[in-house]
Amino acid sequence: GAGVSQSPSNKVTEKGKDVELRCDPISGHTALYWYRQRLGQGLEFLIYFQGNSAPDKSGLPSDRFSAERTGESVSTLTIQRTQQEDSAVYLCASSSRGGYSYNEQFFGPGTRLTVL
Amino acid sequence: DAKTTQPNSMESNEEEPVHLPCNHSTISGTDYIHWYRQLPSQGPEYVIHGLTSNVNNRMASLAIAEDRKSSTLILHRATLRDAAVYYCILRGDNYGQNFVFGPGTRLSVLP
Repeated sequence: GAGVSQSPSNKVTEKGKDVELRCDPISGHTALYWYRQRLGQGLEFLIYFQGNSAPDKSGLPSDRFSAERTGESVSTLTIQRTQQEDSAVYLCASSSRGGYSYNEQFFGPGTRLTVL
Repeated sequence: DAKTTQPNSMESNEEEPVHLPCNHSTISGTDYIHWYRQLPSQGPEYVIHGLTSNVNNRMASLAIAEDRKSSTLILHRATLRDAAVYYCILRGDNYGQNFVFGPGTRLSVLP
């Protein structure tokens, strides 16, 4: 079946502009995660959605970052007034059962964001 | 967050076994040990996970020390496609909903 998809695959923007990144999780997966990966580094957790529960936003680095998810479908990560340090690959993952120690996450290919 | 320690890089010859170590001396009793790998220009993919007993699947084997303070991911026969960054992650009830990915081990496979 279809995996997690993300769009766009690449985004180049100018400093100060807003960007929206989209994630389509695997159908039926209730849990959705956003991560950021800077060049040569590991993944940083940003935000987690589980069904209709309030999202865990503890990883968002500043109030310029926000994310929404409608039900158990598409999610959008928005970065306002982008800065050069926002340049990274933004990865989305979904899981059929969030909140369990043994659950497996399925990752999308990521969106590479470059802020000039 | 419970930390894991992995070598920065390792090298293997094609068709030879590879043993990727991970130390997690502060692991607690309910923590699962997960391994993911990230191929170049792709998102991470699940490899294997375990709690106490050794585990095998079609991709790899996971050997867990008796005291659970370390584990080893075993690729029985490395192929060029196995060249990736391998992440060892602890997952438990105390860590919230996210996975904490460290820098991982970059595995190079030589033909």
